[in-house]
Amino acid sequence: QSVLTQPPSVSGAPGQRVTISCTGSSSNIGAGYDVHWYQQLPGTAPKLLIYGNSNRPSGVPDRFSGSKSGTSASLAITGLQAEDEADYYCQSYDSSLSAHVVFGGGTKLTVL
Amino acid sequence: EVQLVQSGAEVKKPGESLKISCKGSGYSFTSYWIGWVRQMPGKGLEWMGIIYPGDSDTRYSPSFQGQVTISADKSISTAYLQWSSLKASDTAMYYCARHVDGYNFRLDYWGQGTLVTVSS
Repeated sequence: QSVLTQPPSVSGAPGQRVTISCTGSSSNIGAGYDVHWYQQLPGTAPKLLIYGNSNRPSGVPDRFSGSKSGTSASLAITGLQAEDEADYYCQSYDSSLSAHVVFGGGTKLTVL
Repeated sequence: EVQLVQSGAEVKKPGESLKISCKGSGYSFTSYWIGWVRQMPGKGLEWMGIIYPGDSDTRYSPSFQGQVTISADKSISTAYLQWSSLKASDTAMYYCARHVDGYNFRLDYWGQGTLVTVSS
């Protein structure tokens, strides 16, 4: 299983708000390392969506927002659109003997 | 414009060797870590390892240490991922990605992916 834990799936109707959680531990998120989020549309490479817990790269709509608290982080999407249907992954750094970079298992967002 | 362009899809037999590539452009190739991420069919992202082309410092995930070799040729701004003896379980999409920001590594630019199929 993944070092960071995400729900396998979430869903919402167009216009609604959804959140995706990402739970880590004291060696990654809880140690103060940043959380980043990626969006992977079907058949495409992942794209950086949120970095440094809550920052959006240029071009990412402000409907996407991120937050972090303790050993967890969250991605929120407001005003859900059909084009948001994708897989979402959280990522952080881990200071243990395991991998330096760790991903969550991914969450499939379905727009109903 | 930063771009990472990967080599094309490969079909190989078990036991064969393989080296795939990722060419960077639009930035100083020697100043950023670049790494590889595996995505097996229908599965999530797995971080494999990274290399700093400036001095060839290389780090691997324990899951991939000894299974693959990451290298880079800074003279042609290209990173590589290679296998000496492929297994069917190596069948996956492989992405290269630029890593930025030190211990708070984020992967800000990604290649388009290279699909590796290993089948007898």
